[in-house]
Amino acid sequence: KAGVTQTPRYLIKTRGQQVTLSCSPISGHRSVSWYQQTPGQGLQFLFEYFSETQRNKGNFPGRFSGRQFSNSRSEMNVSTLELGDSALYLCASSLDRPSYGELFFGEGSRLTVL
Amino acid sequence: LAKTTQPISMDSYEGQEVNITCSHNNIATNDYITWYQQFPSQGPRFIIQGYKTKVTNEVASLFIPADRKSSTLSLPRVSLSDTAVYYCLVGFCHFYGNNRLAFGKGNQVVVIP
Repeated sequence: KAGVTQTPRYLIKTRGQQVTLSCSPISGHRSVSWYQQTPGQGLQFLFEYFSETQRNKGNFPGRFSGRQFSNSRSEMNVSTLELGDSALYLCASSLDRPSYGELFFGEGSRLTVL
Repeated sequence: LAKTTQPISMDSYEGQEVNITCSHNNIATNDYITWYQQFPSQGPRFIIQGYKTKVTNEVASLFIPADRKSSTLSLPRVSLSDTAVYYCLVGFCHFYGNNRLAFGKGNQVVVIP
């Protein structure tokens, strides 16, 4: 059974640009959640999607957005990039709600903003 | 939002038992406590989850006192391969509505030969 796949694995952008990251969940998983990981702040919850609807949102500015498609694949977008957006962005899938049961994480997309 | 606090790092010798504590003083009634392990360049991996008292599986035990304001992950007889960052996660378990999620900043455990 294939795991969670995130693309791209690495990318470099400059300030002001935008970026789109993709996540393919484990087959059959309907919940996809996104996290930002930085050395200083650790793992922070961005948002969660279930059946194409954003069910929960963390405390991030509106520049961070996402969506989920009918096949459960998800994308997140960061517009007007800032240096502080440099981080590892992790996606996780689960059968249902991410706060209960097991979250399956991808290997992440490492974003560097110059 | 339930905030979690963990010690930053700890060392342990191979074969010893390692106990890692996470504080979550404002945990809510419906919040579950979950622990994850993360190796470099990988996403976190589920270890164990609990709501109260004690939970044990093949790799770890989780102790949660009656007030649920903290939890302790216990790794029996650690090996070098247990060197990793350990995160606790507190999340509101509710199908509809706001699923609050808060990860701790992680505890780096280094196992020494």
